[in-house]
Order: sequence, then C-alpha cells, then structure tokens
Amino acid sequence: SSELTQPPSVSLSPGQTARITCSGDALPVQFAYWYQQKPGQAPVLIILKDNERPSGIPERFSGSSSGTTVTLTISGVRAEDEADYYCQSADKSGTYVTFGGGTKLTVL
Amino acid sequence: EVQLVESGGDLVQPGDSLRLSCAVSGFTVSSNYIGWVRQVPGKGLAWVSVIYSGGSTYYADFAKGRFTISRHSSENTVYLQMNSLRAEDTAIYYCARGNRYGYKNVYFDYWGQGTLVTVSS
Repeated sequence: SSELTQPPSVSLSPGQTARITCSGDALPVQFAYWYQQKPGQAPVLIILKDNERPSGIPERFSGSSSGTTVTLTISGVRAEDEADYYCQSADKSGTYVTFGGGTKLTVL
Repeated sequence: EVQLVESGGDLVQPGDSLRLSCAVSGFTVSSNYIGWVRQVPGKGLAWVSVIYSGGSTYYADFAKGRFTISRHSSENTVYLQMNSLRAEDTAIYYCARGNRYGYKNVYFDYWGQGTLVTVSS
C-alpha cells in the first residue's frame, strides 16, 4: 500500500487561507479525495477527483494537484471550518484504499 | 435519499467474533461499492475492506484472514464478519457507499454514523 502524509495541524485566524498538503507516491496516477470530519460526526466528502467539489460544498473549498502532492485550500476560513481533514487515495494499482493521517484545522 | 445504518457493535473479549451490519436505503448494494472504514476514538481514519459491485472483495493488511465482507442483496445489507478480535481492533466502524471514475481508485460519497466495537477483557 502507499502511504499518504499530511501535516498534523494547521492553525490560522478567520478570513485567512488554509492550505493542507497531502503527499504520496501514487498520487500522480490515482485521484485524491478530501473529507471533513467534525467531532462526533461521520466524514463528509468535500473534494473529489483532485479538484472538484460535490454539490452543496461551498466554493471556498478547492483542491489542486502537482506530482506527488495534492493540496486542499480553504479560502477565507470560518469558525465553522474547524475540523479534521483527511485526504484519501489508493496504492498505484487503485485497489487498496489509503487515508492520510489527518490534519486538525484550528481557527483561532 | 441515500442512507447507511450500521449496527452490531458491542463489547467483546479478545479472540471473540462479531458481525457488523450495514443496512442501506436509497440505492442497492448489489450495484454499488460498499466499504468499511474504522477510526480509533481520537485517531485517524483507516480503511478496512471494500466489496465491489461485481462481488470482488479487498482488505487492508490487518484485516486479511480475520475479517470477511459480504452482502445480502435481498436484505440490501452488507456485513463485516470479524474473527479473532484483538484489543487494537477497538474502534468506531463506518460503512460507506463507494464510487469510482473508470478504473481509478474507489472513494466514499455517503457514510453511516458508525458503530462502536470495543475489544477488552
């Protein structure tokens, strides 16, 4: 399986832009997906296929990809965005699902 | 409306077996991918297993040989049979509907609320 590496935490003030990275060897050949998880709740899909937003996800959430790194960007962070964020992909064959370790976003 | 509801979580002893259920509505299990993902409270997400619409099954290394995913089409339910449980299997177990683009990797677009499995003597 291929591992995905995320920073453990990101802290910033409301209105700032958060960038959460996710690195993995399989990312050039497999799509990345991002999930938001708030305490006591199930994860919610917020970015699919590296950079697309499912319906109902605010435009301030965006994704990008470059080589072995994908990035989740939250523009104009709000207090309600405070949550854990996970990237997800798979090994190079696409068979075995992998999750990043998660990044805790704190809005000061 | 798409819904997934897990059940079967319990407090069990090491070495015991447990079967989790994932009852779905709004879609059919036989035509979709269904996965299980677990989360130790306070820790990150870990993929456990997936069953493809065609019936193929795949497991994380820690689940191989101990866990079995299956589905019952008439009940529209997916199961996770867990044998030889260990303390480190203690976690919230989520089932989720999977999807994919072409032959790329599976992702999960709808999740249940999870069921807690505790393995302790």
